[in-house]
Amino acid sequence: QITLKESGPTLVKPTQTVTLTCTFSGFSLTTNKVAVGWIRQPPGKALEWLAVIYSDDEKNYNPSLKSRLTITKDTSKNQVVLIMTNVDPVDSATYYCAHRQRGYSPFDKWGQGTLVTVSS
Amino acid sequence: DIQLTQSPSFLSASVGDRVTITCRASQDISSYLAWYQQKPGKAPNLLINAASTLQTGVPSRFSGSGSGTEFTLTISSLQPEDFATYYCQQLNRYPLPFGPGTKVDIK
Repeated sequence: QITLKESGPTLVKPTQTVTLTCTFSGFSLTTNKVAVGWIRQPPGKALEWLAVIYSDDEKNYNPSLKSRLTITKDTSKNQVVLIMTNVDPVDSATYYCAHRQRGYSPFDKWGQGTLVTVSS
Repeated sequence: DIQLTQSPSFLSASVGDRVTITCRASQDISSYLAWYQQKPGKAPNLLINAASTLQTGVPSRFSGSGSGTEFTLTISSLQPEDFATYYCQQLNRYPLPFGPGTKVDIK
């Protein structure tokens, strides 16, 4: 059974850097063709895809946020980390991590999400 | 980058109604489109992959169709638990945007 859970700070100040962690079970990021992605959703708004990392360490980012995002994996801990720099109040959102397979596959398993508020 | 639009953005319907939601892509994405359902305060749940493949456990009243640039999600007989927001997502090439969503509300 695949499960994912996000963790991180609930409140950060503008211009700070936020680090979000996705801890997962039921699969391994050492397995070929497996990936974990991050998606966010501001309150009352639509979903926005942010980044994805594959078992072979290939990474892809949303071009509009690429300069501010870094995605990494720690296979020994079954974790994927998303770092976002220079946050702004518009970055306030629920951040989800999710599992997918390489190729044309959707995000088939999602974490519960973690709400991050950016405010001074 | 590929853009997605959805119509309508809001839909008011009654239990038992047939509901159709449309997702349009700005470029040909073949059949590489997924549909998700999201209820308030919950993570999205995958309903349909590859435009028309129902995920295991999803009721058969849900169906998807389309290819290229136009896709539809149909609920044949709306049930109380189907009132939610529905999103499409293109999976043909990066980036992987979602549509703006369609909220299905109770009439």
